[in-house]
Amino acid sequence: DVKVTQSSRYLVKRTGEKVFLECVQDMDHENMFWYRQDPGLGLRLIYFSYDVKMKEKGDIPEGYSVSREKKERFSLILESASTNQTSMYLCASSSTGNFRSYNEQFFGPGTRLTVL
Amino acid sequence: QKEVEQNSGPLSVPEGAIASLNCTYSDRGSQSFFWYRQYSGKSPELIMSIYSNGDKEDGRFTAQLNKASQYVSLLIRDSQPSDSATYLCASRGSYIPTFGRGTSLIVHP
Repeated sequence: DVKVTQSSRYLVKRTGEKVFLECVQDMDHENMFWYRQDPGLGLRLIYFSYDVKMKEKGDIPEGYSVSREKKERFSLILESASTNQTSMYLCASSSTGNFRSYNEQFFGPGTRLTVL
Repeated sequence: QKEVEQNSGPLSVPEGAIASLNCTYSDRGSQSFFWYRQYSGKSPELIMSIYSNGDKEDGRFTAQLNKASQYVSLLIRDSQPSDSATYLCASRGSYIPTFGRGTSLIVHP
């Protein structure tokens, strides 16, 4: 079974703090993703990575950065946390595979971040 | 703009009935389609994947795909209260899927 783990289930930080969220997958997937999910807004893609040291901006990258130094690990960084970054953060991974494969995304358990 | 549209619901069905969840997608280049179940406060869990036109069955779940109409559906037979959750539909063209906002399903005893 694919397993995606995230460093914390719940996190409380203060405005202005630097926050690190870590994600690890054990299925040798090429692609990794960071989303945030807010009521009524659905899943919104922050950043994704299709290879080690490669990253691409998603729909809402402002205020976030990412790091992928190893294939299995993808980190999301909030340089200076703000209250509007209070949200559920979800990491996901998928393989690249071939044209007819599913390449499903598998999600980690999520991190509920509260910024006070 | 690639979009996946779902009725937000809630869809309410009695226990034992068939629940029918639907979504439409805008990107004709989409190759694979997925249904995820998400319980409140939890992360999405993949329950069905489909890429060929027609039906795909897995236990009580049946996914249906009609590429000509750009329509995907999920049928849940013999619905149980434990099926009460939000169901997310997603389509994939490249390696980045597009998600709908989900349909809330309530199965009442």
